[in-house]
Formats: sequence, C-alpha cells, structure tokens
Amino acid sequence: QLQLQESGPGLVKPSETLSLTCTVSGGSISSSSYYWGWIRQPPGKGLEWIGNIYYSGSTYYNPSLKSPVTISVDTSKNHFSLKLSSVTAADTAVYYCARHDYGDSYFDYWGQGTLVTVSS
Amino acid sequence: QTVVTQEPSFSVSPGGTVTLTCGLNSGSVSTNYYPSWYQQTPGQAPRTLIYSTNTRSSGVPGRFSGSILGNKAALTITGAQADDESDYYCVLYMGSGISVFGGGTKLTVL
Repeated sequence: QLQLQESGPGLVKPSETLSLTCTVSGGSISSSSYYWGWIRQPPGKGLEWIGNIYYSGSTYYNPSLKSPVTISVDTSKNHFSLKLSSVTAADTAVYYCARHDYGDSYFDYWGQGTLVTVSS
Repeated sequence: QTVVTQEPSFSVSPGGTVTLTCGLNSGSVSTNYYPSWYQQTPGQAPRTLIYSTNTRSSGVPGRFSGSILGNKAALTITGAQADDESDYYCVLYMGSGISVFGGGTKLTVL
C-alpha cells in the first residue's frame, strides 16, 4: 500500500524559507504514470494546489501563488520536497503531499498533512 | 484567472439526495477537465471519491456518483447518511500540468 509522509519544521519565521519533504513508501517515485504534488489548507479555509513534479524533474506551479516556490525530487531517496521562500503569516497552513495520476489527472493518494505556522 | 466555483454550503436530510456542482467562472466544465471530487472531515486528509468525471475511487460507496450536468460537473449523493456530513472539493485539470481546486462545499446532513 502506497504511503506518503510529510516532514519538516512546524514553525517558520516570517521572511524565511519553509522547507518540507514528502517520503514515499510502498511504491516508486520514478513511475512514469504519476506526478507528485503539494497542496495546502490555511486554517478554516479550502484546499489550494501548490504544484507538481514529475520524476524527471519537470515542475508545474500554481501561477496564483505569491511566495516563490520550488519543488524538487530525489529519486535515490524516493522523496520530493517543497521550498517556499519569503513566507508570511498567510502561508500558515496544513501542507499535504499527494500522488497525482498522470492519465486521469487526479490525486489518488494523500499524506496525512503537516501544520506549518509562520510566526516570529 | 481561473476560478472553480462550488456552493459554499448545502443541506440534505438523512436518506435524501443531494447534488453538489462544480463550475467555471468563464466557460463550461466538460470531461476534458477530468473533474475529480474529494471528501474531507475536520482534521483529516482529503479522501478521493470520484475521478475522471464519474469513476468511483476504490472503496467508495455506490451512493456517490459523478456526472456533467449542463455546464458543470456534479457530485450526487443518493441516500445520504449522517457520516456524509463533510466538506467536498472538486478539482479541475486545466492542462499543462495545472490543477485548480474549487472553494469547497460544506454539506450538512440533518
């Protein structure tokens, strides 16, 4: 059974960089059938797609995001990562990683999510 | 800017039928957008219900169905149960690797 697990600091200071990693187990991140994505949810609000990455390193980002975003993949460690620069309080959210099916274009497996608070 | 629209809230009686919709601020939703639907209860990760318009994800009860109704994607719950009380999100695939979430619908069963 595929599992995704987010990890990283739960508290980040304003203007600093938020960094999270999603470790994939029970399957290979190098499959050609899937993207790997990040989604976030501010407290009490809806879900927002941040971006996806393919195992080859091709990336796709939400053009509406205000903070600079970088998603990277490490196939040797079977994980992918998110970096959000110059964060503000508006970036406080639960961050989910998920697998995105390439053919049917949907998120089929989700991590449990991790809360990141931006505060000094 | 693409905006995916959903009803903010909806209410259904136990055993009743409810249809939630997913539209676009400009244009019609078709199967080409691969509409998918997700259920989320407080404190939990989203659960995938429907993908590619009308395909139920593994383990999803048959009372959940997806379709295109007019110019929108739709999620219908037939015979609603108390534990269907959740937030429901649709996602449209816009092409070029871009996905857009709707704002979500809070469904109350009472």
